Amino acid sequence: AQSVTQLDSHVSVSEGTPVLLRCNYSSSYSPSLFWYVQHPNKGLQLLLKYTSAATLVKGINGFEAEFKKSETSFHLTKPSAHMSDAAEYFCVVSDQAATYNQGGKLIFGQGTELSVKP
Amino acid sequence: DAGVTQSPTHLIKTRGQQVTLRCSPKSGHDTVSWYQQALGQGPQFIFQYYEEEERQRGNFPDRFSGHQFPNYSSELNVNALLLGDSALYLCASSAAGNQETQYFGPGTRLLVL
Repeated sequence: AQSVTQLDSHVSVSEGTPVLLRCNYSSSYSPSLFWYVQHPNKGLQLLLKYTSAATLVKGINGFEAEFKKSETSFHLTKPSAHMSDAAEYFCVVSDQAATYNQGGKLIFGQGTELSVKP
Repeated sequence: DAGVTQSPTHLIKTRGQQVTLRCSPKSGHDTVSWYQQALGQGPQFIFQYYEEEERQRGNFPDRFSGHQFPNYSSELNVNALLLGDSALYLCASSAAGNQETQYFGPGTRLLVL
């Protein structure tokens, strides 16, 4: 069964410093992995998606993530934090069923709350 | 291009009542998935609808049911509400052949008293 573990429930950085949000996954298949962001009282926004095309995935707003099979990790990074990055971030794996058209169940981690200090 | 829309935005019900939540998918999408997000938790998959049929279901009781209409919009119904059903209910839409890439609506916040 697929699962994801977000290693930090809360991360605090200063504006202009790098961001690292850590995620480990468990999957029997070659996984599809995602990062979503949720701002307070808002829905979820897709940041980026990995589907085996390239191990380094670039997303929106300067975020990127690197798939490392040997470490079963998919950490999210950003070189320089902005105040507007303060939000909840979710690492997600797709629960891939064997049958076409029955894929699409997303399994979410518990979330990492990112705080950005001025 | 309108994204995923949900209604209502907020809802207050009492225990034992029934509730219906609505979702319209993003233009060009034909698959709708529903998730429950309790406070401080990640979203949990409830079920997915495609071609007006429930295609997958998460670990939720039969009190949770749904429907998809020919225009691909969807409803989530919850009967016999419990206090523990208080949560943010999120709808996500996707396209056949790429159902794992899902776009979420703003959610409906349900409070059960």
